[in-house]
This record gives sequence, C-alpha cells and structure tokens, in this order.
Amino acid sequence: ETGVTQSPTHLIKTRGQQVTLRCSSQSGHNTVSWYQQALGQGPQFIFQYYREEENGRGNFPPRFSGLQFPNYSSELNVNALELDDSALYLCASSPDDRQETQYFGPGTRLLVL
Amino acid sequence: AQSVTQLDSQVPVFEEAPVELRCNYSSSVSVYLFWYVQYPNQGLQLLLKYLSGSTLVKGINGFEAEFNKSQTSFHLRKPSVHISDTAEYFCAVSAGSGTYKYIFGTGTRLKVLA
Repeated sequence: ETGVTQSPTHLIKTRGQQVTLRCSSQSGHNTVSWYQQALGQGPQFIFQYYREEENGRGNFPPRFSGLQFPNYSSELNVNALELDDSALYLCASSPDDRQETQYFGPGTRLLVL
Repeated sequence: AQSVTQLDSQVPVFEEAPVELRCNYSSSVSVYLFWYVQYPNQGLQLLLKYLSGSTLVKGINGFEAEFNKSQTSFHLRKPSVHISDTAEYFCAVSAGSGTYKYIFGTGTRLKVLA
C-alpha cells in the first residue's frame, strides 16, 4: 500500500504568478483535503474533495482552487500569488468510510518572492 | 465551531524523563481528537486518536493520551522520552461523524536533551 505523495517538494515563485501543486492519495482513498501550514503555525484547512466534488471549504479566497481526478489524485491551484502564500502545503487522504482519520503527505514547500 | 489550544509552544525535557504535552479544545458538539507528530521537513504522522469508547488512548512510539470531557482536554504523555522524540506535536479536533476538516492547534515543540 503506497502512502500519500506530493509534488514538487519545493517550489519558488514570484508574486502574481500562478502555481499548481499535486497530490496522489493513498490507495483506496477517495477523499482528499488540502491544508496550508505557515511557518511556526498549525495547518489550516483549505478545502476537501470527495469523489471529484468539493466537499467543504475553509476561510481561503477563491484564488485557491482545486480539482480531484477519477483516479483520486488531486491538484491545488493558487492564482495571483501573494507573499503570504509562502507556506508548506499538505495534502491528506482518507478512506470513504473512515473520514475521521486523515493520512498526510510530506508536503510541498512554496516560497513566493 | 471548534478550536484547539496548545498551552506550551516549547517543552524541553531530559532524555528518559516523562513528558506531558497539553491540549484543550472547545466545541459545542461531540468531537474526534488527534495527535500528530511532525519531524523537520516532513509531513504529519498520526500518533493516536480518540473517536469514542475508552478515554485512555494508546498510540505509536509509546505515547498515550487521555480524553477528559469535563475539562475538555486531551493531553499527550510519554513515560520516558528519547532523543528521537524531538519534533513538533500537533493536537487536532474534528466535529463528530459527517464533518470533514481538522482544526489544529499551533503546535508544541518537544526538545529532548541528552
């Protein structure tokens, strides 16, 4: 059983650019959540996808968007990057019938200059 | 709405000593509670979780936590720490069945000293 994987591991962008982060869920999991972890802070919920539909959203602006594909891999897109978007972005997957437990990937560290 | 407070931002402790990392939560509904560990430059690893049943929960690496509903706490304990336990520890809460997001605390940095 493979775990949750994310790509790339690190990324540097400039303000105003757009970025796409990718996540491959753990085998058999059809629910994926994305979190933003700023330096020195706990992760904050961005949104969740279940069977390709958005299933809940945190307090993030619309320039944060996502997709989930039929194979349950997922993307996080951020438009018009701002300096404050610099953070570790974590993807977490969970099984259909056990949503209470989320399994996290290693994260993508984004630096916006 | 739920919230989580981790009272200590840093906890230094000597190797082989016991440790307790404190977590308090607030919620108007029943909750699930979790402790995750984050090693440097890595993602989050689940240590243990409370869903229902026994209030004393045992996890990996010798950690345990006790759910106290009256005090709305879920403190993490280990009777004897190792250097390798040095990491950031996060407490998280989610509302009961059917809700999807975790609310995390700000984390406690455990530093084990030789």
